[in-house]
Formats: sequence, structure tokens, C-alpha cells
Amino acid sequence: GNSVTQMEGPVTLSEEAFLTINCTYTATGYPSLFWYVQYPGEGLQLLLKATKADDKGSNKGFEATYRKETTSFHLEKGSVQVSDSAVYFCALSGSTNAGKSTFGDGTTLTVKP
Amino acid sequence: EAGVAQSPRYKIIEKRQSVAFWCNPISGHATLYWYQQILGQGPKLLIQFQNNGVVDDSQLPKDRFSAERLKGVDSTLKIQPAKLEDSAVYLCASSLGLAGGYTQYFGPGTRLTVL
Repeated sequence: GNSVTQMEGPVTLSEEAFLTINCTYTATGYPSLFWYVQYPGEGLQLLLKATKADDKGSNKGFEATYRKETTSFHLEKGSVQVSDSAVYFCALSGSTNAGKSTFGDGTTLTVKP
Repeated sequence: EAGVAQSPRYKIIEKRQSVAFWCNPISGHATLYWYQQILGQGPKLLIQFQNNGVVDDSQLPKDRFSAERLKGVDSTLKIQPAKLEDSAVYLCASSLGLAGGYTQYFGPGTRLTVL
């Protein structure tokens, strides 16, 4: 079946540092890939997505590129802020099986001033 | 635009009791999902509806969990009887369609504690 593996956390960075959170996946067909974010005390919300190979999703300074050859969708940001402190989830929705979703276990990011 | 609504937000029950959760998706969203999120883990899909039909319930423990979506809008998830390992946050999400590229919109979740 489909699976998503995320870089284990927690991750602690200083403000303005570069962020990478690794995500790799296993899936049949051509899934869509997502990053969701959960800020403290809030619900899950979409951060960015990519629906086909070589697509780049971007939002709020975050980027991730759909790499089919390496089955990866790593999240990056050039300069993190304290307000980026949250839990980040990588997820995929399958192109088969009615778009069934699979989530990674999440990576907790803490940014210190 | 109103988001996905869930109630209750918190529930504490004794093991072997029953509990029900309610979800109202975003208006016009045909697809509705129920997830279980255990502390420290990602959401696990329990059941997925398209309108009022079940698309996938392969990970739903059917001996104790049940779900329905009345008239293709609101949905309820029930656990009867509850076990200690059912302690988790139960998330409801909705999306416009079934295909993989649709964004899911999540509700705030119901935190269930089974004692």
C-alpha cells in the first residue's frame, strides 16, 4: 500500500535559518503530494501541494518540488520565523483507489528568536 | 465561507461506553473523510464518503466503529463499545471531489479520552 516517511523531529532552528524537512513516499501510479501544517491550538490546514512530477508547490515562502525519480517532496524555506513554529505533515492522495490519503507522522518545528 | 464544523470538541468516557461525533462539511463538498489521529502520529483515514456512499472503509474497525452520512451532508461517527486504545483526536475533513489533487479542509477535531 501507499506510505509516507517524514524526517523525524523535533527540529529546532534559530530565526532566519534555512529549513529542510524531508519527505519520501511509496505509491502506485501518480499520486498528488501535499504539505499540511498545524499551528499550536489550530486545525490542520493546507500549506502547499503538487499534483504531477516536477511541479513545485509554494506558499508563505515555503517550497517543495515533486521528484518522481527520487519519490520525494522535501519542504524548504530559506529564512524561518518564530511564527513558523508548528507541526508539518507530508501527505499523498493516490491516483487510484478513489484518491485515498496517507499522512506521515509529522515533524515538529520550533523556531527560536 | 464557513469551515468544517465538528462537535463535541472534547469527550471523556469510560471504556465499554459508547460515543458519537458529528461533522458538518463545507457546503458543496461532495467528499467527506473521518480520520483518527493518535498522539505523535499522523492522521489515519478511517472512512471516506462520496456524497452519501462509502468509498473506502478499509481501515475502519467495523466491530466497534460505524459511520453514516445522511443525505450526503452531515456525518456521524460512532464507537461502541470504546476501548482504551481509541483515545485520540478524531478529525473530519471535506473536499470538493474524489480525485487525488483536491485539497482537504479539516475541522478542529474531537479529542476523545477513554478511561
